[in-house]
Amino acid sequence: QKEVEQNSGPLSVPEGAIASLNCTYSDRGSQSFFWYRQYSGKSPELIMFIYSNGDKEDGRFTAQLNKASQYVSLLIRDSQPSDSATYLCAVKVGSNDYKLSFGAGTTVTVRA
Amino acid sequence: DAMVIQNPRYQVTQFGKPVTLSCSQTLNHNVMYWYQQKSSQAPKLLFHYYDKDFNNEADTPDNFQSRRPNTSFCFLDIRSPGLGDAAMYLCATSVSRGGTGVNIQYFGAGTRLSVL
Repeated sequence: QKEVEQNSGPLSVPEGAIASLNCTYSDRGSQSFFWYRQYSGKSPELIMFIYSNGDKEDGRFTAQLNKASQYVSLLIRDSQPSDSATYLCAVKVGSNDYKLSFGAGTTVTVRA
Repeated sequence: DAMVIQNPRYQVTQFGKPVTLSCSQTLNHNVMYWYQQKSSQAPKLLFHYYDKDFNNEADTPDNFQSRRPNTSFCFLDIRSPGLGDAAMYLCATSVSRGGTGVNIQYFGAGTRLSVL
């Protein structure tokens, strides 16, 4: 079982709609969760992180964490064509403060 | 602006010819990482430095080595590149965030390695 799993997509949404991305993880002890955006051929850039159960909002992005069910999600409201990218979910591995385990990413395409 | 800088952005090498990729940072972060990312795959951690302490991942091939001469610089050496080593190589740095203990990693732009 992979440590972090995401649907590869592609997830296609019309401009202005909500894009919903999901991520599940295997280590029940995981504490910190990150969403990175990666444009094609570019490096990952951090969108937001979450470590408490519930929702965390930052602009058009909302991260949702449910530790009991071991999933974390990302909602993108009012999707724009510039949001078209691959979104990587990353989870802090066990008690190691320095290592992240990444999912393979979900590719999102926003149709104008 | 403080940042993580990787050079070169694109590197072409020949099968078996040693190659070195470099990473520098102005963030003064004490942890530096090297990842390998192949197309449509997750970034795969090769190793990381905590200060001068080198931490190798168990499944990182011996063909991959790293050096960190000081806080600002870190190098990835591939001693004998094979065709399977063609990938994007990402350098990242991190620091913990106070009481939350959240360790955010900041990535450089990456070096895309081609092996002919």
